[in-house]
Amino acid sequence: ETGVTQTPRHLVMGMTNKKSLKCEQHLGHNAMYWYKQSAKKPLELMFVYNFKEQTENNSVPSRFSPECPNSSHLFLHLHTLQPEDSALYLCASSQVSSGATETQYFGPGTRLLVL
Amino acid sequence: GENVEQHPSTLSVQEGDSAVIKCTYSDSASNYFPWYKQELGKRPQLIIDIRSNVGEKKDQRIAVTLNKTAKHFSLHITETQPEDSAVYFCAASKGGSYIPTFGRGTSLIVHP
Repeated sequence: ETGVTQTPRHLVMGMTNKKSLKCEQHLGHNAMYWYKQSAKKPLELMFVYNFKEQTENNSVPSRFSPECPNSSHLFLHLHTLQPEDSALYLCASSQVSSGATETQYFGPGTRLLVL
Repeated sequence: GENVEQHPSTLSVQEGDSAVIKCTYSDSASNYFPWYKQELGKRPQLIIDIRSNVGEKKDQRIAVTLNKTAKHFSLHITETQPEDSAVYFCAASKGGSYIPTFGRGTSLIVHP
């Protein structure tokens, strides 16, 4: 599937590194999301962008910094992460209108390991 | 805000049996209820959804039912197969909101 792509697929980083995750959607959607998925835990919404504007930040630590330069691209910049940040990071997109919420389409995720 | 409870957290069945996963929601304004399947190592993918103007929807071996009065909806899988083994997530959202609330997931294991 190529609707929502994410790079890299796997990432190992030290606690002092700086890295970025990239997401791109080819579906013409107007909303993009970052989720964190840890083992044995539910999907945790981190950030939401609607029409390139950040509309949600679920008390995410400042070591995670999102960027949405346009409606098709979403980045998650990582800096001085902790081992407990190791998880699968999923990007998603959807089409939102005033009257309805549509399906979310997920990317394949980036498996992050912080050493 | 919306709260979605999903049960059971783990469901083990024999191949050919039926499986039922239930979710309850708290916000009566919610009107869109998707179900996602996430196979091991893969992304969550929509398998079926239902909107509040219908009570049931079916697609081959899977079906979803919605009871708006009781605020619960269920996923039904008949004639289960080993490839149905995955984690299933329910979600609820309302019109104009682009933030769905997900359940905690159900790990379905289908034994051959």
